[in-house]
Amino acid sequence: SQQGEEDPQALSIQEGENATMNCSYKTSINNLQWYRQNSGRGLVHLILIRSNEREKHSGRLRVTLDTSKKSSSLLITASRAADTASYFCATLYAGGTSYGKLTFGQGTILTVHP
Amino acid sequence: DVKVTQSSRYLVKRTGEKVFLECVQDMDHENMFWYRQDPGLGLRLIYFSYDVKMKEKGDIPEGYSVSREKKERFSLILESASTNQTSMYLCASTLTSSYEQYFGPGTRLTVT
Repeated sequence: SQQGEEDPQALSIQEGENATMNCSYKTSINNLQWYRQNSGRGLVHLILIRSNEREKHSGRLRVTLDTSKKSSSLLITASRAADTASYFCATLYAGGTSYGKLTFGQGTILTVHP
Repeated sequence: DVKVTQSSRYLVKRTGEKVFLECVQDMDHENMFWYRQDPGLGLRLIYFSYDVKMKEKGDIPEGYSVSREKKERFSLILESASTNQTSMYLCASTLTSSYEQYFGPGTRLTVT
């Protein structure tokens, strides 16, 4: 399986704290994306980082990518109760014709307590 | 805003029934995908389509087929539903140039 792995599987923090989630993958990638899923709903795209980028910011989100270690991290700063969700990383394979086909990790369940 | 809709939020079917799940997107995206999501297994790709009438198998196509007769619509078919196909089914679409996938709300299918 080319599926990535996410760490931790579950994370519980207090409002205002930072949350860090990690993702590892196995193949060479074109880009890596992070998605959020609220309970029982579809996924929402958060941020995309290309293989030639090392860090990217979007609001309270900061994503890093280390292609030598085949890993990425998602940092959510000053977390809010509304950030409670599952977070998934997804990678786009670099070789061949992928048609945008992504490989998803198993996700990190984040719980932010008010 | 891109909108991806799925025909049902919840569906209950009996073993052996033929099941149709429909997905419609309104942004002229070339690529469409069907995933199933199970606890502890994440999202797994069943089939995808990169153009009308074109399709390719994903990681777990067994027991499923798909149809894409129009660009905006991608259907997932369970020819003979089985209990191990009880799952959350998610549809997504994307432009080849942008890679960002837009997801529908999901269909929670229960096969009894």
